[in-house]
Amino acid sequence: KQEVTQIPAALSVPEGENLVLNCSFTDSAIYNLQWFRQDPGKGLTSLLLIQSSQREQTSGRLNASLDKSSGRSTLYIAASQPGDSATYLCAVGNAGNNRKLIWGLGTSLAVNP
Amino acid sequence: DTGVSQDPRHKITKRGQNVTFRCDPISEHNRLYWYRQTLGQGPEFLTYFQNEAQLEKSRLLSDRFSAERPKGSFSTLEIQRTEQGDSAMYLCASSLGGNPGELFFGEGSRLTVL
Repeated sequence: KQEVTQIPAALSVPEGENLVLNCSFTDSAIYNLQWFRQDPGKGLTSLLLIQSSQREQTSGRLNASLDKSSGRSTLYIAASQPGDSATYLCAVGNAGNNRKLIWGLGTSLAVNP
Repeated sequence: DTGVSQDPRHKITKRGQNVTFRCDPISEHNRLYWYRQTLGQGPEFLTYFQNEAQLEKSRLLSDRFSAERPKGSFSTLEIQRTEQGDSAMYLCASSLGGNPGELFFGEGSRLTVL
């Protein structure tokens, strides 16, 4: 059974710092992995989607990497800004049960001005 | 706005009442998902449509829950005889193909059952 874990659960950093959020999964037979952002009381915003055949994806200040063999993905945020404060969730699409995503609990990020 | 839209954004109801949520997906997306999220948790899968066909329904969904997508476009999620435990954010997402493809979520419909 696929399990997704995100560490740390919460992170507080000063503005301008580069930071890394971690996502680990137990079954390497994944189809894809998606990173989302969620602001309090809001829906989810898709940030990056990595297919299982890819190693990384980049969008602006965000870079997501995928290492299937070790069951890990990282989301790198460069030059963090207060507007980056949100909860970041990763979700895995399983190769065997690919209609629904398996979710981590998220990392709550606070970027302090 | 061409994103996923959900209505209403917030619904407050008394226990025992029925509620219905609507989701309008991105127009060309053939797949539509309903998720439920409670505070501090990741989204829980409820059900999934490909076009108008409901292909999967979570065991989390009791008989009080029903979802439809009659013309393969918008979808409705109805909860009958609401209970306080139904209080949650109900999220709709759509995708274009893939297994799963990239999911795009709406802003959610928050249900509060008193």
